[in-house]
Amino acid sequence: DAKTTQPTSMDCAEGRAANLPCNHSTISGNEYVYWYRQIHSQGPQYIIHGLKNNETNEMASLIITEDRKSSTLILPHATLRDTAVYYCIVPYNQGGKLIFGQGTELSVKP
Amino acid sequence: EAQVTQNPRYLITVTGKKLTVTCSQNMNHEYMSWYRQDPGLGLRQIYYSMNVEVTDKGDVPEGYKVSRKEKRNFPLILESPSPNQTSLYFCASSLGWTPSLAKNIQYFGAGTRLSVL
Repeated sequence: DAKTTQPTSMDCAEGRAANLPCNHSTISGNEYVYWYRQIHSQGPQYIIHGLKNNETNEMASLIITEDRKSSTLILPHATLRDTAVYYCIVPYNQGGKLIFGQGTELSVKP
Repeated sequence: EAQVTQNPRYLITVTGKKLTVTCSQNMNHEYMSWYRQDPGLGLRQIYYSMNVEVTDKGDVPEGYKVSRKEKRNFPLILESPSPNQTSLYFCASSLGWTPSLAKNIQYFGAGTRLSVL
């Protein structure tokens, strides 16, 4: 089972910030949180990752709560091209096993 | 250009006819993995490889084989395909895989859409 919980779907108006939440209450102290997105049926694309500090790159910002039990991916000015399924992943500490979960389907509307 | 290349992109075959989907990466990555994606089930890991000659099962390995004879290639083999293996397949690679390290970003191929009749 996935170690993360995300809402199934969200809507966002074009130009507004999209805030995508993720719960990972069983995360261990040394596990990173990764975010990926998948546009239509293309290969998933890495967005950002973090451990405990907030992170920002050219694509998004990642806010991790102090207790590390949840995080929020922020797309500051969503565009129609940001319509995709967004996956929050905390890798299992079992070798290379990786579970994606169902993700959040974000629809950016004009 | 750094990339993961899968071939073929589309394949229609019949039950029982052995097939291989190739995956190659040019980033000298140690870790490679195969996923399948089905409607309503998301991405599920089939097999992964931590390095040459090291492979292990993911969540849905039944009916699949893999090999890792060289670092850059990680083919997915269906010895006797069945209709329930009709799916969208993705190959991915990363520098390594340890959950406590940051440099484990996975790069995905464009996908192979397989139909088994």
